[in-house]
Amino acid sequence: SQKIEQNSEALNIQEGKTATLTCNYTNYSPAYLQWYRQDPGRGPVFLLLIRENEKEKRKERLKVTFDTTLKQSLFHITASQPADSATYLCALDDSGTYKYIFGTGTRLKVLA
Amino acid sequence: EAQVTQNPRYLITVTGKKLTVTCSQNMNHEYMSWYRQDPGLGLRQIYYSMNVEVTDKGDVPEGYKVSRKEKRNFPLILESPSPNQTSLYFCASGHPPDSYNEQFFGPGTRLTVL
Repeated sequence: SQKIEQNSEALNIQEGKTATLTCNYTNYSPAYLQWYRQDPGRGPVFLLLIRENEKEKRKERLKVTFDTTLKQSLFHITASQPADSATYLCALDDSGTYKYIFGTGTRLKVLA
Repeated sequence: EAQVTQNPRYLITVTGKKLTVTCSQNMNHEYMSWYRQDPGLGLRQIYYSMNVEVTDKGDVPEGYKVSRKEKRNFPLILESPSPNQTSLYFCASGHPPDSYNEQFFGPGTRLTVL
């Protein structure tokens, strides 16, 4: 069956450390993978997209990697801050159909 | 201000009473979509629309209807709501295939069906 999985448990880290979140998928062949941030009670906000032919993408303190062999994307937040505390969602497009599949999200808490 | 708006933001209704949740975007996006979000199940796509008069089923379309008569509006219709449709609903719009295919989400509609 097709599925997309993220760390289901919350991730607590100390301020200033690097947070690493994982997104694994099976039985999809996405052309790209996206990461979103969601704060409680609000809609997701787009952060980054990485395409299948890209190994790594960076934006300020954010870094995303994409390994199509492992069927995995890693999302890193360096020098984390309490303001980074949120739920992070990964999403992929099912075979270019614009039918999007989201992971269940990982809740990150950055401790001051 | 570029945005996606949804109305109502909160709704409590009873089983079987037809309702419509409106969604409107002012960014001239061709793509619009509806999702529901439930604890432990994440965000699941209900329907999406690539353009006016073009709609397609997402992962969980049962019990829902949509229409896309205008580019800016994409209402979600529950003809006969049931308690299992109690959820947080998000509308989104975007402009694939642009550089990032990002979706812009509305603020959400919290629906309770009694």
